[in-house]
Amino acid sequence: GAGVSQSPSNKVTEKGKDVELRCDPISGHTALYWYRQSLGQGLEFLIYFQGNSAPDKSGLPSDRFSAERTGGSVSTLTIQRTQQEDSAVYLCASSLGTSGSNEQFFGPGTRLTVL
Amino acid sequence: AQSVSQHNHHVILSEAASLELGCNYSYGGTVNLFWYVQYPGQHLQLLLKYFSGDPLVKGIKGFEAEFIKSKFSFNLRKPSVQWSDTAEYFCAVKKNTGFQKLVFGTGTRLLVSP
Repeated sequence: GAGVSQSPSNKVTEKGKDVELRCDPISGHTALYWYRQSLGQGLEFLIYFQGNSAPDKSGLPSDRFSAERTGGSVSTLTIQRTQQEDSAVYLCASSLGTSGSNEQFFGPGTRLTVL
Repeated sequence: AQSVSQHNHHVILSEAASLELGCNYSYGGTVNLFWYVQYPGQHLQLLLKYFSGDPLVKGIKGFEAEFIKSKFSFNLRKPSVQWSDTAEYFCAVKKNTGFQKLVFGTGTRLLVSP
């Protein structure tokens, strides 16, 4: 595709509900990343995928967060039993590879609001 | 752990003023350095990057940044800003060994008044 796409663009949910956020990377990009941008903070790394495997899950804030990637393409970030502190913009990025010279291209983000 | 500091959280300039946004990082090894920009309502996009070679790198829209290894700094500059440069600017650093996550600063909001 032309760029990284994410859906939904906005999600409002009630505390305790589960949410799923979707990311479609640029076609051919093998690496996919999830970041979170909270109010007043920079972007926080959550997890990355190389193909369908996730070698680094170190940024996931708790076991309520999980992510998967299928077919080396679309990825889903799932947050179970959402809490108000989960409210943030969730950004997805993709790159051709993971070596230092590979630029990460970002999607528009999903703004999650937990009431 | 790596960290990135952006000293200015909010900057207000008039058009044609010069811009310098500070960025310092805390990793002593070889790093890759980036500046990203997010215009209002738009995606985060890459302004410029440094991997190796000439420490003065030029990016899009007249921006440049200088990597000063001894100061662990990668400040962003533009000689004359325009109203259209109003945006949020993020500095990011990545270790240059295998996969390493991008570590971002907290961002600087720039407002350029016409």
